[in-house]
Amino acid sequence: TQLLEQSPQFLSIQEGENLTVYCNSSSVFSSLQWYRQEPGEGPVLLVTVVTGGEVKKLKRLTFQFGDARKDSSLHITAAQPGDTGLYLCAPADSGGYQKVTFGIGTKLQVIP
Amino acid sequence: EAQVTQNPRYLITVTGKKLTVTCSQNMNHEYMSWYRQDPGLGLRQIYYSMNVEVTDKGDVPEGYKVSRKEKRNFPLILESPSPNQTSLYFCASSLTGRKDGYTFGSGTRLTVV
Repeated sequence: TQLLEQSPQFLSIQEGENLTVYCNSSSVFSSLQWYRQEPGEGPVLLVTVVTGGEVKKLKRLTFQFGDARKDSSLHITAAQPGDTGLYLCAPADSGGYQKVTFGIGTKLQVIP
Repeated sequence: EAQVTQNPRYLITVTGKKLTVTCSQNMNHEYMSWYRQDPGLGLRQIYYSMNVEVTDKGDVPEGYKVSRKEKRNFPLILESPSPNQTSLYFCASSLTGRKDGYTFGSGTRLTVV
């Protein structure tokens, strides 16, 4: 099982602030996924990053995959209350290995 | 609408009383999986299935059973629930596996007293 560490575990910020959360591992991944889980719901896939150094943007969210493919970050610009939720990362390697271990997540609260 | 449907959303039961949580997907996905989510422990995989009649243990399979007789359904069975199985449970499906990303159900909050 590939272990993922996410930081910080909790983050409470004011609306309009910028923030970055991290997903780190000692393992190399061929690709990695980010999910957002809103209170009372299941996680929803946001993005898959595949190439080392890749940057993907989803409106105000910017995802980066580390050059060594061991880490990833999620940067949110001008956070909104609708960004509140639990952000999870998970390896997305293809192949026969189908156990999936998610990071514990970063719980984000954006205060209006 | 493409979705994973879990039932029930909420369940309170007593120790030892067998229960089944149902999961159904309408996307013709091959891969399905069950997770439990607990504070401070995150999402932990219970069982997964790569296709009909093919199931395997995840990280926390003790006390649970699953079956995959049809592609669309993947029920989670607790033969003799105990209080330490009180948790939030999620079913997820994927076209072929983790590289495709997962579609999650809305969750089942189970309390065992």
